[in-house]
Amino acid sequence: DGGITQSPKYLFRKEGQNVTLSCEQNLNHDAMYWYRQDPGQGLRLIYYSQIVNDFQKGDIAEGYSVSREKKESFPLTVTSAQKNPTAFYLCASSSRLAGGVNEQFFGPGTRLTVL
Amino acid sequence: QKEVEQDPGPLSVPEGAIVSLNCTYSNSAFQYFMWYRQYSRKGPELLMYTYSSGNKEDGRFTAQVDKSSKYISLFIRDSQPSDSATYLCAMSAAAGNKLTFGGGTRVLVKP
Repeated sequence: DGGITQSPKYLFRKEGQNVTLSCEQNLNHDAMYWYRQDPGQGLRLIYYSQIVNDFQKGDIAEGYSVSREKKESFPLTVTSAQKNPTAFYLCASSSRLAGGVNEQFFGPGTRLTVL
Repeated sequence: QKEVEQDPGPLSVPEGAIVSLNCTYSNSAFQYFMWYRQYSRKGPELLMYTYSSGNKEDGRFTAQVDKSSKYISLFIRDSQPSDSATYLCAMSAAAGNKLTFGGGTRVLVKP
């Protein structure tokens, strides 16, 4: 049963704590992404990785960190430096469709709430 | 100004009506255009994609791209309550490039 899994589904954090969100895929995709979704703002790219042991900052990387030690896994750490971390976090991986289109497959998301 | 603009809605229609959604964008380099559907508290899923200008039809869904106006549309014919979701447009300048998403339009189809 192929797909992308994210855990946990809901996460609560106290201010000043770092937390790590898990993302695993068994689709054999090279590229993986982390997005943040806030109401009315769509998806904003945090980090992405096109290959193992390599990743690039997206549009809103400040206060976040990632690692890509395995092809299947792309964990995201939300650090205490992130000023407003309460949001819905989505992980995706991508494959190339006919014509070169980059189709991204999304996980079910993690809702992070800072108390 | 955002690179991709999308009316947040909600757009409420009766069952069976045509749903019309659109996005405008400012980056003339965008060549690949996608529509994603997102149900509440779920991850988005790809509905349709098009390359450059033109129309594409898939069942009840039709996607249109007008690059001269920097305007893309998605039409849903014979809408069903199960079409109630948020629809996100996304686009990129080149194959394999990162996507830029619109804010999403929430659609409600009432029985």
